Amino acid sequence: GAVVSQHPSRVICKSGTSVKIECRSLDFQATTMFWYRQFPKQSLMLMATSNEGSKATYEQGVEKDKFLINHASLTLSTLTVTSAHPEDSSFYICSARTLGGGAYNEQFFGPGTRLTVL
Amino acid sequence: ELKVEQNPLFLSMQEGKNYTIYCNYSTTSDRLYWYRQDPGKSLESLFVLLSNGAVKQEGRLMASLDTKARLSTLHITAAVHDLSATYFCASLPRGTSGSRLTFGEGTQLTVNP
Repeated sequence: GAVVSQHPSRVICKSGTSVKIECRSLDFQATTMFWYRQFPKQSLMLMATSNEGSKATYEQGVEKDKFLINHASLTLSTLTVTSAHPEDSSFYICSARTLGGGAYNEQFFGPGTRLTVL
Repeated sequence: ELKVEQNPLFLSMQEGKNYTIYCNYSTTSDRLYWYRQDPGKSLESLFVLLSNGAVKQEGRLMASLDTKARLSTLHITAAVHDLSATYFCASLPRGTSGSRLTFGEGTQLTVNP
């Protein structure tokens, strides 16, 4: 149980275009989903926290107009990178927290999306 | 602001040897997590530690938590090549609603034959 999927797994786009990444909890309901970005050889950096039915909370330094997050249902959150530039190239990972959190208050991580902007 | 620091950041060891990765965190924590990441892959959950003195073991890996010292350790016993990966610890500060994790920098482990 507690499986999180991401789509696409890999995307290459031209500079200036927008890219949408989907994060789905397959076998549980997730009131909260998290979006992380990871550059090579670095740790995960939290970009934003997404709560179902409400606006996302962005971390300091993350442009909310550039990284649009929508959490329309208890099983789906999307991250749209608008007007992508080469510096947005990164590994984007989502995670989902079960409804209520459970004893471990654990996040379950998706497989990640490798974005390359040419 | 919560800080999580791992030590060492890079670890090269021979098969069969033992070693420990350290994870220090700066504020009181509700939960301490350990993850493994293989190159090009996402995170795989290894352990969740809930309370002071907690110890969990899975195969050649054993994790422990000392909340008074704000320290968690990941001990590797008789390392094998398959354990080569990057290991992250992450802390959930006490009282945090919404599960906002803070990650350490990661320890890149290479096990040599």
